[in-house]
Amino acid sequence: NAGVTQTPKFRVLKTGQSMTLLCAQDMNHEYMYWYRQDPGMGLRLIHYSVGEGTTAKGEVPDGYNVSRLKKQNFLLGLESAAPSQTSVYFCASSLLNTQYFGPGTRLTVL
Amino acid sequence: DAKTTQPPSMDCAEGRAANLPCNHSTISGNEYVYWYRQIHSQGPQYIIHGLKNNETNEMASLIITEDRKSSTLILPHATLRDTAVYYCIVRESPFYGQNFVFGPGTRLSVLP
Repeated sequence: NAGVTQTPKFRVLKTGQSMTLLCAQDMNHEYMYWYRQDPGMGLRLIHYSVGEGTTAKGEVPDGYNVSRLKKQNFLLGLESAAPSQTSVYFCASSLLNTQYFGPGTRLTVL
Repeated sequence: DAKTTQPPSMDCAEGRAANLPCNHSTISGNEYVYWYRQIHSQGPQYIIHGLKNNETNEMASLIITEDRKSSTLILPHATLRDTAVYYCIVRESPFYGQNFVFGPGTRLSVLP
């Protein structure tokens, strides 16, 4: 099992550009999450999904959209990137008690 | 969710036990204590969790006080690779899709 994978690992965007981050898990987990982590801070939840076709807002959802068209994939979109969205983005999936995290995507918005 | 309080940083000598404390005085009866760690630039890694009894696995031991208002994560023989930020999280279980709240955690430095 690959666990949780994230694509891409690094990306640099200009202000106003759009992009999609892909998260994939092969553990057949129902729940998936997108977090962001800024320097020296803990993780903050952006959006999450409790199953295929469902999404919900987390703590910091503004400026992001998500989709869960397939159970194994959870996409995070930035429609118009801003410098404040420069961060490391982590995806996670869980079954019941334990969240499994991906390696992260480091995004810089200039 | 109950709030947790952890020291911002700790040092431990290599080969010695690392004891990481966590206070969660407002924990409720159906909330579990979870521990995760994050090694530099990597995604957080699950370590252990428990409700009221002490727990042990291949990575660590979790000691929860009888009143459940505090707990200690024990790494029995710390190595340099255990240098990381350790997060104590209190949450109901099972959690039907809700998030974990990751605070600033404790930065553990294992020294040679």
